Amino acid sequence: GAVVSQHPSRVICKSGTSVKIECRSLDFQATTMFWYRQFPKQSLMLMATSNEGSKATYEQGVEKDKFLINHASLTLSTLTVTSAHPEDSSFYICSASLAGVGTQYFGPGTRLLVL
Amino acid sequence: GENVEQHPSTLSVQEGDSAVIKCTYSDSASNYFPWYKQELGKGPQLIIDIRSNVGEKKDQRIAVTLNKTAKHFSLHITETQPEDSAVYFCAASSGDTGNQFYFGTGTSLTVIP
Repeated sequence: GAVVSQHPSRVICKSGTSVKIECRSLDFQATTMFWYRQFPKQSLMLMATSNEGSKATYEQGVEKDKFLINHASLTLSTLTVTSAHPEDSSFYICSASLAGVGTQYFGPGTRLLVL
Repeated sequence: GENVEQHPSTLSVQEGDSAVIKCTYSDSASNYFPWYKQELGKGPQLIIDIRSNVGEKKDQRIAVTLNKTAKHFSLHITETQPEDSAVYFCAASSGDTGNQFYFGTGTSLTVIP
């Protein structure tokens, strides 16, 4: 149980385009989902916290207009990187929090490469 | 805010030996401490967790200990195997649903066959 999926697993795009990443909790309802960014050989950097039906809370330094987060249902959250640039290239990982437990279950990650 | 420190950053052990990774935290309000294993190119996978009302928890070859007074917790892996090679992250949280996790900087474990 507690499986989280992400799609796509890998995406290459041209500079200036937008990319949408989906995060789904497959077998449980997640009241809260988190989006992280991870640089090579570094820890997880929290970008934003997303609660179903409300606006996401962004961490300091993360541009909310650049990284659009939508949490439309208890099983789906999306991250859209708008007008992507090479510096946005990174490994993006989502997690979902099991209601009443507090544990975060992570997706497999999405590798974004912006050319 | 919470600050989690993790040591060592890299660890090499011979197959069959034990591995210990230690973390400290600063916020006494933290009461939930998960450990994650991350293989290259994959998302972190929860391997064990502990809440502040217990001092130790075991799951086969993996154990976690918690010292609330000293604000530190440790991951113990016994009888290590090559497939244990990965990056391990500790985290601290207040334990409520939706609360932020504060992650350590990670430990790269290599098990030498």
